[in-house]
Amino acid sequence: QKEVEQDPGPLSVPEGAIVSLNCTYSNSAFQYFMWYRQYSRKGPELLMYTYSSGNKEDGRFTAQVDKSSKYISLFIRDSQPSDSATYLCAMRSGGYQKVTFGTGTKLQVIP
Amino acid sequence: DTAVSQTPKYLVTQMGNDKSIKCEQNLGHDTMYWYKQDSKKFLKIMFSYNNKELIINETVPNRFSPKSPDKAHLNLHINSLELGDSAVYFCASSQEKDPGLAGGNEQFFGPGTRLTVL
Repeated sequence: QKEVEQDPGPLSVPEGAIVSLNCTYSNSAFQYFMWYRQYSRKGPELLMYTYSSGNKEDGRFTAQVDKSSKYISLFIRDSQPSDSATYLCAMRSGGYQKVTFGTGTKLQVIP
Repeated sequence: DTAVSQTPKYLVTQMGNDKSIKCEQNLGHDTMYWYKQDSKKFLKIMFSYNNKELIINETVPNRFSPKSPDKAHLNLHINSLELGDSAVYFCASSQEKDPGLAGGNEQFFGPGTRLTVL
């Protein structure tokens, strides 16, 4: 079993839809949770960062962490064609510890 | 103005050759990384350096040797290239800070080096 599991997709939605992206993990020591967005032929860029459990909202994006279920989510409201990218969840246990990435979910938002 | 830069962007070479990829960051960060991303987009850490000192080495073959001449540079040298080394290699950097602060130790990634071994 991989430490971090993520559905690779692809996920195709119409413009304006609410998108839900999820990851599950097995390492209970993880306490830093991140979502990265990667456009084609570019490096990943940090989208959302959450420390420990809870929700965090930034514009159209909401990140949720449920440590009891070892489950994290990213919601995108009013999705736009410019949101089309691969979304990678990532997590780590502590300072200077390695970041473990999910395999990424490819999202396509159709105009 | 590029925060994390890598050269070259593309590298096509024959099996058995030795090649190097260079990385530089101008963010003043103290930690730098090398990641390998395979064709399925799986991003896996290879090495991490903090202030020129190796802190993470993730079971990478000895053919891969990172070198950090200073904390702004982390180069990757690969000996005796194999077909399975074909991938995109990303350099990244970060600055450790209070986990409660926004961004934590956000990693900034370079544009990637697409290595193809023939």
